[in-house]
Amino acid sequence: EAGVTQFPSHSVIEKGQTVTLRCDPISGHDNLYWYRRVMGKEIKFLLHFVKESKQDESGMPNNRFLAERTGGTYSTLKVQPAELEDSGVYFCASSQGPGEELFFGEGSRLTVL
Amino acid sequence: QKEVEQDPGPLSVPEGAIVSLNCTYSNSAFQYFMWYRQYSRKGPELLMYTYSSGNKEDGRFTAQVDKSSKYISLFIRDSQPSDSATYLCAMWNNNDMRFGAGTRLTVKP
Repeated sequence: EAGVTQFPSHSVIEKGQTVTLRCDPISGHDNLYWYRRVMGKEIKFLLHFVKESKQDESGMPNNRFLAERTGGTYSTLKVQPAELEDSGVYFCASSQGPGEELFFGEGSRLTVL
Repeated sequence: QKEVEQDPGPLSVPEGAIVSLNCTYSNSAFQYFMWYRQYSRKGPELLMYTYSSGNKEDGRFTAQVDKSSKYISLFIRDSQPSDSATYLCAMWNNNDMRFGAGTRLTVKP
């Protein structure tokens, strides 16, 4: 069974550009989460989808970040325009239900120059 | 004050040593407690999952939860070089999961 997959694995962009990260959760997992880890800091929650609905987006840093999960399958996280402080590793995770084991992808490393 | 405090290390031990990793937390609403292991350039993977106060053992790994003290621990017995990784504590509050900063562990042969 395929795990959580993320694309791209690494993206290098200039400040002001746009980047879109994609996450494909494990098939059948209604719950999809985005997390971010910036250098030297802990992994921080960004938002949580249940199917296509945003259950909790309290961790989104600002309106430059837009997450979607059309059709309740894969999800995208767009950063527009990117700033230097957005650099970090963006993790996607999925689970069958809240409180159940989270399965993480390998992360998308974003470098903003 | 952070919701979850974890010493980032790094921690270096010789092969065969007992490793003790700890986290404290401030939110008494956390109900589920986990330890994740993350190898370099990989995503975190679940190692241990506990719900209530007490001990849970799985092979060389033992997780302890003390809800009264808001303190959780992970013990690794007979540590191996393959245990070298970053260990993250995590805790659930219904829909909300919070992570510790992660402790980087190196087990030297």
